[in-house]
Amino acid sequence: ETGVTQTPRHLVMGMTNKKSLKCEQHLGHNAMYWYKQSAKKPLELMFVYSLEERVENNSVPSRFSPECPNSSHLFLHLHTLQPEDSALYLCASSQGRGYEQFFGPGTRLTVL
Amino acid sequence: QKEVEQNSGPLSVPEGAIASLNCTYSDRVSQSFFWYRQYSGKSPELIMSIYSNGDKEDGRFTAQLNKASQYVSLLIRDSQPSDSATYLCAVNSEKLTFGTGTRLTIIP
Repeated sequence: ETGVTQTPRHLVMGMTNKKSLKCEQHLGHNAMYWYKQSAKKPLELMFVYSLEERVENNSVPSRFSPECPNSSHLFLHLHTLQPEDSALYLCASSQGRGYEQFFGPGTRLTVL
Repeated sequence: QKEVEQNSGPLSVPEGAIASLNCTYSDRVSQSFFWYRQYSGKSPELIMSIYSNGDKEDGRFTAQLNKASQYVSLLIRDSQPSDSATYLCAVNSEKLTFGTGTRLTIIP
């Protein structure tokens, strides 16, 4: 595997389900990010991790819970989501904060 | 005032013409500037990086940076239908900030 990978690529879940999104970067980077992109809307930065420490949380509801066990892996745990949470969830990594970011292919999430 | 501003478009350009995409930013201490291309339903892909004033060319793409005017642009020469996408400008000061993107359509 090269670059940034994300699984699953597509996810359909009910509002009472619990699921997790996974991101892995193979670039030796120190920073990882979660973004949300709703249809025809700009990127919304959700969380930033630098050296496995959360450094930014942009007023994201608590039904989204990030986890960064090491510098290569990032998770986004989902529970009791709402239909308006349906979106493309993108993971990115960079050498450090402020450097160019490289994106994974995204997870297309649909909440029923 | 938005930190990074782009015209949302859509910008329509005939095939073979030059497409010009513009971006302005508010933080004067910004040091690094990037252009990403995003096809519909796909993730953003880094296509150009520029760090100093002037032009930087890579194939059909040219990035232009003017720090005094706080302005960065992307020119696409000999536009192809495959260039139809949304182009995101990203600017680094303390963190990387993305613009909202310009939707470009190349008309055959």
